[in-house]
Amino acid sequence: GDQVKQSPSALSLQEGTNSALRCNFSIATTTVQWFLQNPRGSLMNLFYLVPGTKENGRLKSTFNSKESYSTLHIRDAQLEDSGTYFCAARGNNNNAPRFGAGTKLTVKP
Amino acid sequence: ETAVFQTPNYHVTQVGNEVSFNCKQTLGHDTMYWYKQDSKKLLKIMFSYNNKQLIVNETVPRRFSPQSSDKAHLNLRIKSVEPEDSAVYLCASSYWGGHQDTQYFGPGTRLLVL
Repeated sequence: GDQVKQSPSALSLQEGTNSALRCNFSIATTTVQWFLQNPRGSLMNLFYLVPGTKENGRLKSTFNSKESYSTLHIRDAQLEDSGTYFCAARGNNNNAPRFGAGTKLTVKP
Repeated sequence: ETAVFQTPNYHVTQVGNEVSFNCKQTLGHDTMYWYKQDSKKLLKIMFSYNNKQLIVNETVPRRFSPQSSDKAHLNLRIKSVEPEDSAVYLCASSYWGGHQDTQYFGPGTRLLVL
């Protein structure tokens, strides 16, 4: 929804290239999660973040709580990276996380 | 290997019928959630249960009702389905609060209302 804005909404990458996805938050956010939804619809956990940075293989994610945004960097994109990436923000009131609208990523050979 | 299980995977029904979806988690979490994902892939929170108590009840039609027998189960009943209820319903679980509240999702139940 509007509380979590993801950009871009869609992205096409050549295999082997790099890119970054972004989420901006208009709610006070304490933790952020990034998910990848594959073509079958399963939501896979990528990162769970408190303010700071995490890295896992070709993926790196940063959550900046002061400036209310999070980024997901994809390095050396592979075909299997294709899918829809979602970020979800949880506020300090412990309500259920709010999701962005997603970024549909297509990696082409 | 999924630890959040949903049944059925897919359900087709007629307008006005009642449906019930099941969700079970084996992660020992104390909080469970139901999300609705529409045709545009927007994920909206519907309900959340913490230790069998409703803690979030977003503005959803009254024909939707969550049902929980224990903290490992959270079912969703829809009484008298409408065409706009066609969507994917995703169940998730987590611990409550702190910095251990990572959500884990089930594979979803796809509902088609004819």
